[in-house]
Amino acid sequence: GIQVEQSPPDLILQEGANSTLRCNFSDSVNNLQWFHQNPWGQLINLFYIPSGTKQNGRLSATTVATERYSLLYISSSQTTDSGVYFCAVEQGSNDYKLSFGAGTTVTVRA
Amino acid sequence: DAGITQSPRHKVTETGTPVTLRCHQTENHRYMYWYRQDPGHGLRLIHYSYGVKDTDKGEVSDGYSVSRSKTEDFLLTLESATSSQTSVYFCAISEGGSPQETQYFGPGTRLLVL
Repeated sequence: GIQVEQSPPDLILQEGANSTLRCNFSDSVNNLQWFHQNPWGQLINLFYIPSGTKQNGRLSATTVATERYSLLYISSSQTTDSGVYFCAVEQGSNDYKLSFGAGTTVTVRA
Repeated sequence: DAGITQSPRHKVTETGTPVTLRCHQTENHRYMYWYRQDPGHGLRLIHYSYGVKDTDKGEVSDGYSVSRSKTEDFLLTLESATSSQTSVYFCAISEGGSPQETQYFGPGTRLLVL
């Protein structure tokens, strides 16, 4: 199956700092999503972004499908950004099955 | 809020006992999924459903079965629980067929098998 690799595995930030998270995938995809899991375990969908660039407040994401990677940018980080960020991809079946990366754990310190 | 609830939210059971987890949705979404989350593995798909009585296996389906007798409920059963099935279980839905096939997750069920 498709391999999804996220880097870095852990990231510690000072409040107000900017950061970039990366997701590499081993094959072409027609669906890529970014999720945030907060410290209480809740999973929130951030972006559906199989290609191109999207922005939502301080978060933005870019997927370069031809080069098989996606980037998630966090600007002016806040303590509420702490948690685990997951990238998930779907290869192209019609059942929308997602394969997840292992995640990047982000800790934002005040 | 995609209207997804999971029950129970926490459960402790003993090895060899059957366990059933329930996922309930209120918005008639066609596709439903069961994942497990373990440290270092992200989320892994157990089973999924693409309609009433239509289900299929994911990447870690051994030891699990599912049933979907009505649109709103998707049940995950561990026929004989083992310690390796200690995990956090998430249910998810997606509309499927929409321009944005976003998946939305329930709050999770934390299962401990002793």
